[in-house]
Amino acid sequence: GQSLEQPSEVTAVEGAIVQINCTYQTSGFYGLSWYQQHDGGAPTFLSYNALDGLEETGRFSSFLSRSDSYGYLLLQELQMKDSASYFCAVRDRGYSTLTFGKGTMLLVSP
Amino acid sequence: DGGITQSPKYLFRKEGQNVTLSCEQNLNHDAMYWYRQDPGQGLRLIYYSQIVNDFQKGDIAEGYSVSREKKESFPLTVTSAQKNPTAFYLCASSIVAASREKLFFGSGTQLSVL
Repeated sequence: GQSLEQPSEVTAVEGAIVQINCTYQTSGFYGLSWYQQHDGGAPTFLSYNALDGLEETGRFSSFLSRSDSYGYLLLQELQMKDSASYFCAVRDRGYSTLTFGKGTMLLVSP
Repeated sequence: DGGITQSPKYLFRKEGQNVTLSCEQNLNHDAMYWYRQDPGQGLRLIYYSQIVNDFQKGDIAEGYSVSREKKESFPLTVTSAQKNPTAFYLCASSIVAASREKLFFGSGTQLSVL
């Protein structure tokens, strides 16, 4: 089976940098994905890491360490609109679907 | 614009009643999925389908049923056997091949029990 652990809540102020961690356990591994969901809305894809290292997309970056079964999402220059829930997700080689973590609620304050 | 349309946005179910949630996509995606989301919880997979006329159970399929008669449509029926149906239901789709990691989600249906 698969399991993912991420913090339930993170708070930060506008303009700051925040890191949301995700650790996973799977029988095999394809890659780690991140999704953003605003309250009551649809999750939207942010990033995907299949190989070790950092992937950067604008203010958001995602990191993966396959040897540590660990990844994180880094959000820079935080804005109020970044207040949302962030989910990590994995697919391993035996599965054709994604398994999601329970999500991290990010609250950005002025 | 291409996307996934879920309807209705809000749905109420009476005791003993079956209700059907609609999900339509015009992205020409092969795979479609249904997830259930409870407050403070992640997304849990109910059913998925990778091709027309074929679907598989996810982690929490009991009390639910689906059909995939057309590529564009993947309706979910919440049956009376589902004793705790109140939740936010999300439909998603993806390309089966190269971009399997990226799911596109609909805006969801909030189901409540009267």
